[in-house]
Amino acid sequence: DAKTTQPPSMDCAEGRAANLPCNHSTISGNEYVYWYRQIHSQGPQYIIHGLKNNETNEMASLIITEDRKSSTLILPHATLRDTAVYYCIVRLTTSGTYKYIFGTGTRLKVLA
Amino acid sequence: EAQVTQNPRYLITVTGKKLTVTCSQNMNHEYMSWYRQDPGLGLRQIYYSMNVEVTDKGDVPEGYKVSRKEKRNFPLILESPSPNQTSLYFCASSYGGGTEAFFGQGTRLTVV
Repeated sequence: DAKTTQPPSMDCAEGRAANLPCNHSTISGNEYVYWYRQIHSQGPQYIIHGLKNNETNEMASLIITEDRKSSTLILPHATLRDTAVYYCIVRLTTSGTYKYIFGTGTRLKVLA
Repeated sequence: EAQVTQNPRYLITVTGKKLTVTCSQNMNHEYMSWYRQDPGLGLRQIYYSMNVEVTDKGDVPEGYKVSRKEKRNFPLILESPSPNQTSLYFCASSYGGGTEAFFGQGTRLTVV
């Protein structure tokens, strides 16, 4: 099963871009990369997902390397409210069913 | 408002006393799942359901049961809770297994 590796913590200055890396070296061709975040102990919140192309939405951008072995989530202008744990997830597909595997995530602290 | 509702939010119970944590979604989603979250271990999937009457084990199903008799509800049943099931539990739903998942606010369970 493809797993993800993320740094346990990162700091970012308010107003600067936050770049959160994720390694998924065993990802297979039809597995998507998803990003969620969790603020305190609330339910995780969806941010963005992608397969092979870079993606952007109102919250963030997702850059996936050409070999798909790693990706980076970019929060273009981090605010204090972006302080959270960010999870990079690979969606597994087995016999038509789906499974998410969460790692331990990156704890991002945005500093004033 | 689109939401996933879990009840109760907090529960303290004794070893061996059967309990049910309810989960309901109002988005007509087919896919629902349960996770537990423990310090240092991230979120781990307990069970998931692709549709009514279709359920399957996740990574940590031991000691839990689920049922999916209606599309909107996906209760988590602990027939004989033990202290090692003390955890923060999340229910999630999505239109399909590979689309954006919506999480409930969590149920903090303590088994003494």
